[in-house]
Amino acid sequence: ETGVTQTPRHLVMGMTNKKSLKCEQHLGHNAMYWYKQSAKKPLELMFVYSLEERVENNSVPSRFSPECPNSSHLFLHLHTLQPEDSALYLCASSQTRVTGELFFGEGSRLTVL
Amino acid sequence: DAKTTQPPSMDCAEGRAANLPCNHSTISGNEYVYWYRQIHSQGPQYIIHGLKNNETNEMASLIITEDRKSSTLILPHATLRDTAVYYCIATFYEEGNKLVFGAGTILRVKS
Repeated sequence: ETGVTQTPRHLVMGMTNKKSLKCEQHLGHNAMYWYKQSAKKPLELMFVYSLEERVENNSVPSRFSPECPNSSHLFLHLHTLQPEDSALYLCASSQTRVTGELFFGEGSRLTVL
Repeated sequence: DAKTTQPPSMDCAEGRAANLPCNHSTISGNEYVYWYRQIHSQGPQYIIHGLKNNETNEMASLIITEDRKSSTLILPHATLRDTAVYYCIATFYEEGNKLVFGAGTILRVKS
């Protein structure tokens, strides 16, 4: 138990569907992150939020839309995805964004058909 | 951020110390060395980090050479649950939120 909870753990969606991934942290942290881990590839940073403000967008396609309504919750809205977007999506949080000590959730395994 | 080089895989006997090496020969003076691990189908887990001095916590020890060009993560008494991919990352502290994960080392602990 890392204090970072992701739901759903598994998601299967068609290319025309709209779905959302949810992340919640119970650590009182001020920064939250989305990472993507595709099969046989290293983790890739997607988005960084600090105090609910997006501070990093790593050239992610617009079909991925993050939302951070407060410092404890982070969403990743998905629409019109492609099969190559199938991956493990990991949420993380940290005390502030100027630290390398991140706490990761267990991830949401996404399959796009 | 400095590039790090790790062996792709290592084996270790259960109960023995696991010594995982990392080469970071281009590291600059104010870059930290971070270690994470990822057990299969789980998110990465922070282990330890250091700048110059050796560091120890309840999980592991980090030994950084005097010239800072390499480091070793030591798990003193490896268990089967330590089987995971171990990542060594060199990064500026103020850019810690931009951790770049490589391929890491697959550590297999065997009974």
